[in-house]
Amino acid sequence: DAGVIQSPRHEVTEMGQEVTLRCKPISGHDYLFWYRQTMMRGLELLIYFNNNVPIDDSGMPEDRFSAKMPNASFSTLKIQPSEPRDSAVYFCASSRQTYEQYFGPGTRLTVT
Amino acid sequence: QKEVEQDPGPLSVPEGAIVSLNCTYSNSAFQYFMWYRQYSRKGPELLMYTYSSGNKEDGRFTAQVDKSSKYISLFIRDSQPSDSATYLCAMSRGSNYQLIWGAGTKLIIKP
Repeated sequence: DAGVIQSPRHEVTEMGQEVTLRCKPISGHDYLFWYRQTMMRGLELLIYFNNNVPIDDSGMPEDRFSAKMPNASFSTLKIQPSEPRDSAVYFCASSRQTYEQYFGPGTRLTVT
Repeated sequence: QKEVEQDPGPLSVPEGAIVSLNCTYSNSAFQYFMWYRQYSRKGPELLMYTYSSGNKEDGRFTAQVDKSSKYISLFIRDSQPSDSATYLCAMSRGSNYQLIWGAGTKLIIKP
């Protein structure tokens, strides 16, 4: 299997622009997680899905963030409008059980 | 106070030394205990997991869980420069619950 695929790998955008991050989980994995990682705050869970249904979105910082999983092989995380404080590495992970998560390579987002 | 506490380091040791990495936690409901390794500019990868208490060994790595003390450890024997990475502990209440993460400890193995 190719592992978890994320795109783009790097994104540089200006404040106020819309940003869409994409994730393809490993086939057969029922769980999908979106994380954000910064030096200051470490790894933070934003939202996770089970069988395409959002289970817990309490980590989503504010209404500017939204996530969707229209089918078992694709998910998006959208930020609109983006702000400089959103600059971070965003990881997508998938798993069969929640404890054995497989992470993608991450998207490094810079908002200027 | 955070549910999971982990010293961010860095921890610097000479090659060949035994490394001990630790986390403490406050929630007695945790049942699964994981160690993830993250190399620079990569995503975390699962190194080992333990269910409930006890020890688990995998090559040079040993994971220990002491539920009475709410303390988990990861030991690395014969440490190598390639072990230099950030090690994150994570815990959950069950196989269908989200993980609660430690801050990660940056480990540096000096040749």
